[in-house]
Amino acid sequence: GAVVSQHPSWVICKSGTSVKIECRSLDFQATTMFWYRQFPKQSLMLMATSNEGSKATYEQGVEKDKFLINHASLTLSTLTVTSAHPEDSSFYICSARDLAGDNSPLHFGNGTRLTVT
Amino acid sequence: GQNIDQPTEMTATEGAIVQINCTYQTSGFNGLFWYQQHAGEAPTFLSYNVLDGLEEKGRFSSFLSRSKGYSYLLLKELQMKDSASYLCAVKDSNYQLIWGAGTKLIIKP
Repeated sequence: GAVVSQHPSWVICKSGTSVKIECRSLDFQATTMFWYRQFPKQSLMLMATSNEGSKATYEQGVEKDKFLINHASLTLSTLTVTSAHPEDSSFYICSARDLAGDNSPLHFGNGTRLTVT
Repeated sequence: GQNIDQPTEMTATEGAIVQINCTYQTSGFNGLFWYQQHAGEAPTFLSYNVLDGLEEKGRFSSFLSRSKGYSYLLLKELQMKDSASYLCAVKDSNYQLIWGAGTKLIIKP
């Protein structure tokens, strides 16, 4: 089945530093990848849609300059949390849909737990 | 606005059957997904419904009624490992996924 690899699985960083999270589709190509954030006991919240070869589409309220997304190839998207603050501490999850079509299910990475101290 | 409603928490007994309901009001409908999410882990796909009726997959079944804006996930022969959150998600007319807040299912021996 389709596998999405996300790295790192957890990271602790100091306030003011930047953190990069990678999301790779291992056995399929993904023109579109999705980045979610999930706070404890809450549902997934879509942050942005990453499009290969073009700019990401951000959801309302998500700062483009703070959450930098790069989708340089059909198998890799990265999310960089710049100048992280404690309120950015959350569970970040990427997902992708293989090229089979819009009705194919999302395949999720294992998530990255970010803790900003 | 768009809205997905699920119960916040349910409790069931090992070996029993449980039904998790999901009602939705969205701008258009292009399918409904159920995902399972264990604590601290990413969601995993369970089922997809786009036409009315029941989809059965082993111990799990999912039902959809588009006219009622309603779906349920049925879990049979419950096992302790089924303790997790179950997320209902609807794809709207723009093919955007709208997520429910999830139902935390607690299985007791």
